[in-house]
Amino acid sequence: GQQVMQIPQYQHVQEGEDFTTYCNSSTTLSNIQWYKQRPGGHPVFLIQLVKSGEVKKQKRLTFQFGEAKKNSSLHITATQTTDVGTYFCAALSNSGYALNFGKGTSLLVTP
Amino acid sequence: SAVISQKPSRDICQRGTSLTIQCQVDSQVTMMFWYRQQPGQSLTLIATANQGSEATYESGFVIDKFPISRPNLTFSTLTVSNMSPEDSSIYLCSVDKGTDTQYFGPGTRLTVL
Repeated sequence: GQQVMQIPQYQHVQEGEDFTTYCNSSTTLSNIQWYKQRPGGHPVFLIQLVKSGEVKKQKRLTFQFGEAKKNSSLHITATQTTDVGTYFCAALSNSGYALNFGKGTSLLVTP
Repeated sequence: SAVISQKPSRDICQRGTSLTIQCQVDSQVTMMFWYRQQPGQSLTLIATANQGSEATYESGFVIDKFPISRPNLTFSTLTVSNMSPEDSSIYLCSVDKGTDTQYFGPGTRLTVL
């Protein structure tokens, strides 16, 4: 399937600092999706990127899809304690409908 | 979006026994998925369950261990059979509403002693 590698595994920031997580694939992706999982919760869909070079924003979150459609990033500006959680990228598997998830980046924000 | 419920939310089971997890969706969906998430780890797809056909299992997962039912377009069950402590995990169902994105249930936290 379309496997994705995600870094870093963990990130600890002070509230107000920025945060970025990166997702990479050795193959061209049809799309990339991002999910957030709060501690003790379940993954919640954030966004889907489809086009080469696409950039989408959700308030303080900026999502990018690389020109070659092999990498993606999620950037959070001025983190808040509510941003705590694990952020997963995911790509469609060979089946075309199931998802392969990256290992996730766990974000800890201290006030 | 979709509203998904799972039962039970958590359970503690003895090794060698089986547990059936239920997943209910508030609307009809074609595709339902079952994932396993071990503590601190990512999600691993167990199988895809389509109504009216056999579930499709991912490498490393077999029907004898994880039988799945999909009797209609709003419901599915996953059974974890002959459990061992290695099966301790969170089991999540999810659905695809036709946009390639998935909506997850709250999960079932299973502990096997």
